[in-house]
Amino acid sequence: KAGVTQTPRYLIKTRGQQVTLSCSPISGHRSVSWYQQTPGQGLQFLFEYFSETQRNKGNFPGRFSGRQFSNSRSEMNVSTLELGDSALYLCASSLWGPSTDTQYFGPGTRLTVL
Amino acid sequence: DQQVKQNSPSLSVQEGRISILNCDYTNSMFDYFLWYKKYPAEGPTFLISISSIKDKNEDGRFTVFLNKSAKHLSLHIVPSQPGDSAVYFCAASAQAAGNKLTFGGGTRVLVKP
Repeated sequence: KAGVTQTPRYLIKTRGQQVTLSCSPISGHRSVSWYQQTPGQGLQFLFEYFSETQRNKGNFPGRFSGRQFSNSRSEMNVSTLELGDSALYLCASSLWGPSTDTQYFGPGTRLTVL
Repeated sequence: DQQVKQNSPSLSVQEGRISILNCDYTNSMFDYFLWYKKYPAEGPTFLISISSIKDKNEDGRFTVFLNKSAKHLSLHIVPSQPGDSAVYFCAASAQAAGNKLTFGGGTRVLVKP
């Protein structure tokens, strides 16, 4: 079974631009969660999608948004990029949800904002 | 407000000895706890979990202990192997809060041969 894939793996943007990151979950998984990892803050939860609906949301500004498609693939979008958005963005998938069954992480997208 | 804290950012241990990683939490609603391991350039991988109805869970070389009254959990790795060198994250969730995972800041473990 293929693992969680994320594209692109690396991205360089400038302040004010917007970016879209993509995540393909493990086949059959319906829950996709997104996390931001920074050296100072560890992994911070962004949001979780299940069956195309946002089921949970972390404490991030509205510039961070996401969506999930009918095939469970998910995208997250960050608009009006700031320097502080530079981070590793991880997505994770599971059958039903992050704490009801094992969550599998992708390798992440490294975003650098200049 | 960090609800899950790993106060030791790094740990160095000799191969064959025990590694003990600690994690403290403040939210008494947390009822499920997990440990993840992360190598550079890879996503975290699930290691072991424990629900709040238990105080210990063991899986091979890995054992997680939960002390609910102290709001503290620990991960023991015995014996430590060089391949265990990685960053370890503890995470917690509360069913009442919709199963959102809250992660600690991570502890970098170095196992010396």
